[in-house]
Amino acid sequence: QEKVQQSPESLIVPEGAMSSLNCTFSNSASQSIWWYQQHPGKGPEALISIFSNGNKKEGRLTVYLNRASLHVSLHIRDSQPSDSAVYLCAVSNYGSSGNKLIFGIGTLLSVKP
Amino acid sequence: GGIITQTPKFLIGQEGQKLTLKCQQNFNHDTMYWYRQDSGKGLRLIYYSITENDLQKGDLSEGYDASREKKSSFSLTVTSAQKNEMAVFLCASSPGGNSDYTFGSGTRLLVI
Repeated sequence: QEKVQQSPESLIVPEGAMSSLNCTFSNSASQSIWWYQQHPGKGPEALISIFSNGNKKEGRLTVYLNRASLHVSLHIRDSQPSDSAVYLCAVSNYGSSGNKLIFGIGTLLSVKP
Repeated sequence: GGIITQTPKFLIGQEGQKLTLKCQQNFNHDTMYWYRQDSGKGLRLIYYSITENDLQKGDLSEGYDASREKKSSFSLTVTSAQKNEMAVFLCASSPGGNSDYTFGSGTRLLVI
């Protein structure tokens, strides 16, 4: 049973700062790792995914994956108040019964003006 | 662009009642999912379906039934609502493979 853990539970940063969120997973053979953003009263929205070891950059977002240490991190450069939301890490397990995403509990990010 | 619609948005039920939640998508996605979101417990998979008339159990399937009679719709039934139960049920769809999910806005359930 795949386990996904996120830290910290909550994070407060000033506007313009870098936000750093962490996620560990239990199965090194897991396929892609996804980050989703969820605003209050809404469903999660996919932000970025990574499959290979190393980093991937999209706009203000950078993701780092280290499969050996079962760790992935999300970094948001120049954080804005509109980035305030819950961030969910999800690990993809794709098999003969289709693809399943296993989610962590999330990190609540608050960006203060 | 497509849309995924969940109905109803809010659902108040009584203990022991059978309750049905509906989800429709017009992306023509093959795979659909039902997740339950509780405070402090994250999203947990209840049922998913990789094609019309297919059903696969998730980790939290006990106490629920699901139905996928059309490719575009996926319904979830709470077979016997538990008193003081409060959760958000999220429906999602995906083209399949290693693609991302598109989520609906959720159905908020309260059982009194």
